[in-house]
Amino acid sequence: DAKTTQPPSMDCAEGRAANLPCNHSTISGNEYVYWYRQIHSQGPQYIIHGLKNNETNEMASLIITEDRKSSTLILPHATLRDTAVYYCIANSGGSNYKLTFGKGTLLTVNP
Amino acid sequence: GAVVSQHPSWVICKSGTSVKIECRSLDFQATTMFWYRQFPKQSLMLMATSNEGSKATYEQGVEKDKFLINHASLTLSTLTVTSAHPEDSSFYICSARDSGIDEQYFGPGTRLTVT
Repeated sequence: DAKTTQPPSMDCAEGRAANLPCNHSTISGNEYVYWYRQIHSQGPQYIIHGLKNNETNEMASLIITEDRKSSTLILPHATLRDTAVYYCIANSGGSNYKLTFGKGTLLTVNP
Repeated sequence: GAVVSQHPSWVICKSGTSVKIECRSLDFQATTMFWYRQFPKQSLMLMATSNEGSKATYEQGVEKDKFLINHASLTLSTLTVTSAHPEDSSFYICSARDSGIDEQYFGPGTRLTVT
């Protein structure tokens, strides 16, 4: 898996958009960008993933730069329950589906 | 989304005893399951990959004789911590890969405390 770099922590006001950056400058062409989050003392929760195109689902949007060297996870209207550690992972999927978790970003949503 | 359960959610055992943790995929078949360990304020560390009907593949530094993994069916994998020591106290998390849609889902974790 390509190495990913994320800021250790971020703050966001409740109701505002949270934009979480991730750098993956060495990502290879067949590696997807996955985002998971982990709320304290729980298992990780899948959020979204993408390869080249921007993706959106009911939880978040994923914006991937054209050169694929970085991406941004957007939570459009953050709530207090979105406070968690967010992990950005590059993985090629398929038979090599071992996810390597870095330190992630602790997002704190403030009232 | 798909559901993965773990049992027990927490367990306390005495040093020297063994403890078994179950991981089940409730609404899909998982040919591959993964076991992670997470120490306080640290990230998840992959311990082993469990494939149904075959031996597990352990990550470097993980003792296969201490952490026994069995994946006897497409919906169940078990991790047995043998001769547990206080340093084995950790949060153990499993995940299961839904090969039908190539996504991975995580269980809620099991908190093991060895006294």
